[in-house]
Amino acid sequence: NAGVTQTPKFRVLKTGQSMTLLCAQDMNHEYMYWYRQDPGMGLRLIHYSVGEGTTAKGEVPDGYNVSRLKKQNFLLGLESAAPSQTSVYFCASRWTSANIQYFGAGTRLSVL
Amino acid sequence: ELKVEQNPLFLSMQEGKNYTIYCNYSTTSDRLYWYRQDPGKSLESLFVLLSNGAVKQEGRLMASLDTKARLSTLHITAAVHDLSATYFCAYGERGGSEKLVFGKGTKLTVNP
Repeated sequence: NAGVTQTPKFRVLKTGQSMTLLCAQDMNHEYMYWYRQDPGMGLRLIHYSVGEGTTAKGEVPDGYNVSRLKKQNFLLGLESAAPSQTSVYFCASRWTSANIQYFGAGTRLSVL
Repeated sequence: ELKVEQNPLFLSMQEGKNYTIYCNYSTTSDRLYWYRQDPGKSLESLFVLLSNGAVKQEGRLMASLDTKARLSTLHITAAVHDLSATYFCAYGERGGSEKLVFGKGTKLTVNP
């Protein structure tokens, strides 16, 4: 049982490049979330999904897009990366009836 | 608008001492979470507090929630080096999606 798996773990991009971060969970969770963590800050919610085929904006959605085509996967896309998007990205998931969010190991992204 | 305020942000303490981390939040949430993060690692759920007056304990850590004061505390008893980590509190927004709003975290260092 892998839990929440994020790929890749590390990535360096040049300004203007695009990429997709993948989050996969094998716990049959309905809810999935993408957060970013910056130095000295707590986690801030980018986008979230309450079920397959649904997505919604969080606190800091600008510059990101998401898709939830399959229940187990939640993709975070950067269409044109900017240095301000240098951060550590965490994915989380939870059951509908439970409160605890389970986090992945994170993706460390640098945009030069 | 300050949603979640943790105090202190940095805490250096000696082994064997007691201390309390405070988490003030500015909304009428009755769901408060505490997470632990080790350097370079993901977030690990410590406590979920779901009602006014809730108290939970695990080992040397005890968390409590006062929804009327919008205050949660994380009390450390007889600290040991292994407790060194960053501790985050977060509240869950009402509305079903259970979006988490995090504080900036308290970096705890326990010195021998």
